[in-house]
Amino acid sequence: GAVVSQHPSRVICKSGTSVKIECRSLDFQATTMFWYRQFPKQSLMLMATSNEGSKATYEQGVEKDKFLINHASLTLSTLTVTSAHPEDSSFYICSATDRIFEKLFFGSGTQLSVL
Amino acid sequence: DQQVKQNSPSLSVQEGRISILNCDYTNSMFDYFLWYKKYPAEGPTFLISISSIKDKNEDGRFTVFLNKSAKHLSLHIVPSQPGDSAVYFCAASARGVGKKLTFGTGTRLTIIP
Repeated sequence: GAVVSQHPSRVICKSGTSVKIECRSLDFQATTMFWYRQFPKQSLMLMATSNEGSKATYEQGVEKDKFLINHASLTLSTLTVTSAHPEDSSFYICSATDRIFEKLFFGSGTQLSVL
Repeated sequence: DQQVKQNSPSLSVQEGRISILNCDYTNSMFDYFLWYKKYPAEGPTFLISISSIKDKNEDGRFTVFLNKSAKHLSLHIVPSQPGDSAVYFCAASARGVGKKLTFGTGTRLTIIP
């Protein structure tokens, strides 16, 4: 079964609203989680790395004030797209790894459509 | 700057034949490489990986070859099956499997029955 659960799988929202995406590790402690974004027919691009209990590290070009990441517990990380605009429409995927970085598991992704 | 490249955006292979997907990288710090299979609107599914200390890893129908001097890796699927039709991404990381991955651009594999 899935070891990383991501919700919601699909969300449609109006421009200007905020959307929260959750990523949960189900049977291991995820000390590090990664958030990726994929535009249609393009590669998965890393947005940020979050470590439990500390601030996320954002990749170059990713606005940290727009994409708020919280990793408050060892099993949950959230990505909030604030004041979403149509250009934020994309497929967002989280992945999680345990303390010893042995395994890396991906969530099932969230398709965000901003009208 | 695309550090991991898959130069073939698409590939069609007859069922039962061998599928060979290629991947090139530029960052010499990468020491761990992975292949993922992905369907639209789903997360990637891990297939097989290889560390830089090896040049081959095999798992069932999947074999990954690594040529460090050429900074090239390939995924062989044999025999190819219709269920293998998907987009395949290679990915690379530095200093261990859990570190952030850099993905290639993907190759859409179509298996022809």
